[in-house]
Amino acid sequence: QVQLQESGPRLVKPSQTLSLTCSVSGDSINSGDYFWTWIRQHPGKGLEWIGYIYYSGSTYSNPSLTGRVTMSVDTSKNQFSLRLNSVTSADTAVYYCARDNYNDYAMDVWGQGTTVTVSS
Amino acid sequence: EVVLTQSPGTLSLSPGDRATLSCRASQILSHSYLVWYQQKPGQAPRLLMYGAYFRATGTPDRFSGSGSGTDYTLSISRLEPEDSAVYYCQRFGSSPRYTFGQGTKLEIK
Repeated sequence: QVQLQESGPRLVKPSQTLSLTCSVSGDSINSGDYFWTWIRQHPGKGLEWIGYIYYSGSTYSNPSLTGRVTMSVDTSKNQFSLRLNSVTSADTAVYYCARDNYNDYAMDVWGQGTTVTVSS
Repeated sequence: EVVLTQSPGTLSLSPGDRATLSCRASQILSHSYLVWYQQKPGQAPRLLMYGAYFRATGTPDRFSGSGSGTDYTLSISRLEPEDSAVYYCQRFGSSPRYTFGQGTKLEIK
């Protein structure tokens, strides 16, 4: 059974950098069969796709966040990470990592999500 | 950017009823690129349907998808209390890769 688990600080100060890691079990990021993705959900709102990383390290992020998003992958640990810099209160959200089955254009496995609050 | 508009915002039905949820795209969309998710309170979204018509693993056959062009529908027959959730449609595109509708809240009372 494939499982994803987000981890990282739950509270980030304005102007600082949000950092999250997603640990994958039951599947290998190295397989190359999927994109590894970040999505967020603002409180009481809908879903926003942040971006993905491939096992090779290639990335693609939402143009609305370009310039603030950095993603990386550690295949030895079967983990991938998100960094979002210069955060404001508008970045307060539940952050999900997910597996993107690019053949079906769908995220077929999701982490449980982690709430990140931006506040001084 | 293709915008997805879901309706109704909230749908209140009874157990055993049939639910019809709409997702309208601002431009013609290939059915291959249309996906539905279910999100229950406090949980992550769960993939329900992909390619507009195909049920994901574990999705009961009470769920069905239809549509083409700009109009897509998720239908749920024989509603059960456990179907109470917010349902999102999602489309694949070039930039950004994915966008979502605003969701339809389904209440089973």
